Amino acid sequence: GAGVSQSPSNKVTEKGKDVELRCDPISGHTALYWYRQSLGQGLEFLIYFQGNSAPDKSGLPSDRFSAERTGGSVSTLTIQRTQQEDSAVYLCASTGTPTGGNIQYFGAGTRLSVL
Amino acid sequence: SQQGEEDPQALSIQEGENATMNCSYKTSINNLQWYRQNSGRGLVHLILIRSNEREKHSGRLRVTLDTSKKSSSLLITASRAADTASYFCATDASRDYKLSFGAGTTVTVRA
Repeated sequence: GAGVSQSPSNKVTEKGKDVELRCDPISGHTALYWYRQSLGQGLEFLIYFQGNSAPDKSGLPSDRFSAERTGGSVSTLTIQRTQQEDSAVYLCASTGTPTGGNIQYFGAGTRLSVL
Repeated sequence: SQQGEEDPQALSIQEGENATMNCSYKTSINNLQWYRQNSGRGLVHLILIRSNEREKHSGRLRVTLDTSKKSSSLLITASRAADTASYFCATDASRDYKLSFGAGTTVTVRA
C-alpha cells in the first residue's frame, strides 16, 4: 500500500479482555516497529522485526504483550488480559533498508481504551 | 528508554514568527531525526541530520547538531497555523536500528 495502515483506529475494551491490533507496513519494507504512546508522552519502544531475524522484544512491558509478523509483512500486536494502564495509542512504523538512515514511516495508530 | 529530551515542552507563537525547540541526548549517535505529529495522527519524518553534519535545511526548517554538547535544535521560520503540532526528536544511537524518542514539544501557532 501507499503507507502504513493500522486497524482498528479505535478500540474500546473491558478490563481483562484480549485485544489484537493490526499493522500493514509499506510494501517491501523489511523492518517493522511497534511503539506505545501514552497521553502527552513520547514513544515507548515495544518490539522490532527485521526480515527473518528473531524479533527484538526487549521493550514489551509484560508477558501479556506479544507480537508476530507473518510472511514478513503484516504484524499483529496482542495484549492479553488488558489492564487500564494499557490504555494508550499504539503506533506501528516500518522502514526500508537501514542504510538509508532508519527513517521510519508511521501509521495513524490504534487508540486503545481499557474500561 | 527515552534518550532525547525536548525543550520547551510547549510553545505558543503568532503566525509569521519563528519557533525554536531543542533536543538533548545522552549517548553518541549515528544520526538524529525530527518528526512532526498532528493531533490524532502518526508521526511524519521531517529531517535527518547525521553525526558528521552541523546544520541542515529543508524548506522552512533548519536543524543544527552539536555533538560536543549532545544537543540539536529545530527552527521553523515564518510559522503557519498548519505548523501546529507536536515535534519529536529521535536519536539513532546503535547498530540495531532502534530510535529513541523524546517526549516532544507541542507548538501552537496562533492566527
